[in-house]
Amino acid sequence: AQSVTQPDIHITVSEGASLELRCNYSYGATPYLFWYVQSPGQGLQLLLKYFSGDTLVQGIKGFEAEFKRSQSSFNLRKPSVHWSDAAEYFCAVGDNDMRFGAGTRLTVKP
Amino acid sequence: DTGVSQNPRHKITKRGQNVTFRCDPISEHNRLYWYRQTLGQGPEFLTYFQNEAQLEKSRLLSDRFSAERPKGSFSTLEIQRTEQGDSAMYLCASSLDNGSEQFFGPGTRLTVL
Repeated sequence: AQSVTQPDIHITVSEGASLELRCNYSYGATPYLFWYVQSPGQGLQLLLKYFSGDTLVQGIKGFEAEFKRSQSSFNLRKPSVHWSDAAEYFCAVGDNDMRFGAGTRLTVKP
Repeated sequence: DTGVSQNPRHKITKRGQNVTFRCDPISEHNRLYWYRQTLGQGPEFLTYFQNEAQLEKSRLLSDRFSAERPKGSFSTLEIQRTEQGDSAMYLCASSLDNGSEQFFGPGTRLTVL
């Protein structure tokens, strides 16, 4: 069965610092992998996705993620965090019946 | 605005009542999805449609839940005999086809008293 684990419930980083959010997945075949962001009162917005090909994926807002099959991971990174990045981040796997992780809440300190 | 819209945005109901939510997808999108999100959790898949055909239903979708997409455009999700455990955010998403990005609506927040 497909599933997603986001080990960090809450992360706090200083503005300008680098960020890495962890995601581990379980999937029987080559997965479709996604990162979404959800701000308070806003809908989920897709940051990036991996279907195949280059394992380093670039997304919107300066985010990137790297697919590592050997580690079943798809970690999200950003070199320099902005205060507006404070939000809830969800990793997801699958296609039609997507499975989401429980989310990581990001707080950005000034 | 041509995004996914959901109505109502908020619904408060008493236990045992029936409620119905509506989702209007992006107009050219063939696929429509329903998810449920509870506090502190990620969205959980409920069901999806390809045009008017309902192709998959999660075990989370008990027999009190029914979803329709009669003309392959908007969709409704009805919950009969609501229970307090049904309190959640109900999210709708749409996509062009299989594997395409799913665009999410703002959700309908249901509170069952």
